[in-house]
Amino acid sequence: KAGVTQTPRYLIKTRGQQVTLSCSPISGHRSVSWYQQTPGQGLQFLFEYFSETQRNKGNFPGRFSGRQFSNSRSEMNVSTLELGDSALYLCASSLAGTEYQPQHFGDGTRLSIL
Amino acid sequence: AQTVTQSQPEMSVQEAETVTLSCTYDTSENNYYLFWYKQPPSRQMILVIRQEAYKQQNATENRFSVNFQKAAKSFSLKISDSQLGDTAMYFCAFGANSKLTFGKGITLSVRP
Repeated sequence: KAGVTQTPRYLIKTRGQQVTLSCSPISGHRSVSWYQQTPGQGLQFLFEYFSETQRNKGNFPGRFSGRQFSNSRSEMNVSTLELGDSALYLCASSLAGTEYQPQHFGDGTRLSIL
Repeated sequence: AQTVTQSQPEMSVQEAETVTLSCTYDTSENNYYLFWYKQPPSRQMILVIRQEAYKQQNATENRFSVNFQKAAKSFSLKISDSQLGDTAMYFCAFGANSKLTFGKGITLSVRP
């Protein structure tokens, strides 16, 4: 079974631009969660999608948005990029997103803002 | 809101020895799950072990075991017979209401 696939692996953008990151979950998994990982803040939860609906959202500004498609693939968008958005963005999938199910992570997208 | 605290930023252990990684959490929830995830230098995060809060018995997975103290809200990970491949960042995580909250992680180095 293929794992969670995130594209692209690396991205360099400048302040003010916008970016879209993609995540393909493991086949059969309907829940996709997104996390931002930085050395200072650790792993912070962005949002979770299940069956195309956002069920949970972390404390991030509205510049961070996402969506999920009918095939469970998910995209995350960040508009008006700021230097502080430089981070590793991780996507994780699970069968139904319940708290007892282990999450399967992708390799992440390293976003650098110049 | 839940908080997860990993107070040790890094630790080092000799190969074949035992090491314990600490984690405390704060919550008002009664039903929850606790996890330890491992992130090797190659980046992909993988699940090490999981503990159900309603179970008294500590979870064990081969060389990995936990010491779960519910009243003290403590959830430590013990790695026995440490191997070079255990070198990684380890994250403690709390799961409730379909959401995971992570600690800031601890960098574990296994010395040959």
